[in-house]
Amino acid sequence: SQQGEEDPQALSIQEGENATMNCSYKTSINNLQWYRQNSGRGLVHLILIRSNEREKHSGRLRVTLDTSKKSSSLLITASRAADTASYFCATVNYGGSQGNLIFGKGTKLSVKP
Amino acid sequence: EAGVVQSPRYKIIEKKQPVAFWCNPISGHNTLYWYRQNLGQGPELLIRYENEEAVDDSQLPKDRFSAERLKGVDSTLKIQPAELGDSAVYLCASSSMADEQFFGPGTRLTVL
Repeated sequence: SQQGEEDPQALSIQEGENATMNCSYKTSINNLQWYRQNSGRGLVHLILIRSNEREKHSGRLRVTLDTSKKSSSLLITASRAADTASYFCATVNYGGSQGNLIFGKGTKLSVKP
Repeated sequence: EAGVVQSPRYKIIEKKQPVAFWCNPISGHNTLYWYRQNLGQGPELLIRYENEEAVDDSQLPKDRFSAERLKGVDSTLKIQPAELGDSAVYLCASSSMADEQFFGPGTRLTVL
């Protein structure tokens, strides 16, 4: 079963613009991770944020986590055509899901040059 | 460092035929996962190994799916017999003690 729900399902922007994707989940978590998937490189881990963290940065990526609302957002700044991919959030609950990753359905991002 | 290796990359079979997928995780990674990803969905866990022990196979359809990880290194996932609904991408991932998982390129299975 899938825990996370990404929003929007699809997003199309111009190169240089910022892209924001949201993820909502249902149960308590220990951490939340974002992954990118494109046809060339498969699923790649982008960033992990723990339940006691509110914001994390990695290069052009900014992730926020609001555990009271059970939601997270991924912001990609100054997007590039190479950012075109599907983005998935995945939650980890050491108790409920035995530490397994539970993925959402993903947001399909298209960045036009 | 070599990544997670999977083979074959693509497989087309007739329904009721058997099929097997192979995965070699990153060297030193004790935990190995098999996922199934249907079109337009996120990956869903089938089975997780800690070394050679299957610690979570609750989502593995055991009537037709089987997996093994002999010697705690590489792993094989088998479907016998395959059904039309088994068409999907089968992903293998591995991890060490950290939470991050490293995924292979996947095997795209088409059942006709």
